[in-house]
Amino acid sequence: DGGITQSPKYLFRKEGQNVTLSCEQNLNHDAMYWYRQDPGQGLRLIYYSQIVNDFQKGDIAEGYSVSREKKESFPLTVTSAQKNPTAFYLCASASGTSSYNEQFFGPGTRLTVL
Amino acid sequence: AQTVTQSQPEMSVQEAETVTLSCTYDTSENNYYLFWYKQPPSRQMILVIRQEAYKQQNATENRFSVNFQKAAKSFSLKISDSQLGDTAMYFCAFNDNNDMRFGAGTRLTVKP
Repeated sequence: DGGITQSPKYLFRKEGQNVTLSCEQNLNHDAMYWYRQDPGQGLRLIYYSQIVNDFQKGDIAEGYSVSREKKESFPLTVTSAQKNPTAFYLCASASGTSSYNEQFFGPGTRLTVL
Repeated sequence: AQTVTQSQPEMSVQEAETVTLSCTYDTSENNYYLFWYKQPPSRQMILVIRQEAYKQQNATENRFSVNFQKAAKSFSLKISDSQLGDTAMYFCAFNDNNDMRFGAGTRLTVKP
């Protein structure tokens, strides 16, 4: 089945530790995105990538880093510099870079920093 | 920057009735795209419907339809014959030049 997978579903980390969230897609999509979702707020864009080995910052990139070494993979690292990392993280992909293209979302990762 | 506003944090509707969720946005662009996404309790985001700004005809998808008023920058979602499975968070989104902006969402509860 084609789709987007995110792992793990729940993640707990101690304050000050870096943590990497996985996102994999087998839809052959060019574009991939990372969003953060907090209660009472919509999704906010962290990073996006339109092509392998290239990515751009979104609105809230501070304290996060990404890589796009393979078309199907777009991992997100939450660093210790992120002041409030506890949130729900959603990865998405789209078949092209046109604004018309639907973004397909993964099931999300709930990160809790203790 | 473009902003998207959903003024109804929560709404409820009786099963089989019709409900309308409101969305307004702010932009100076002429060509853009609008979306409604649904997020059920599973938290899986699912596209409900989309609208191209240059098309005057309102989009429809089965029980879901939109009322797109470009001059008023309004993009409301109408759900007809509401079903229990429609219970979810609904997010309005605006996309221009690959810059997707989401509203804060409306929590819709369908009551039996």
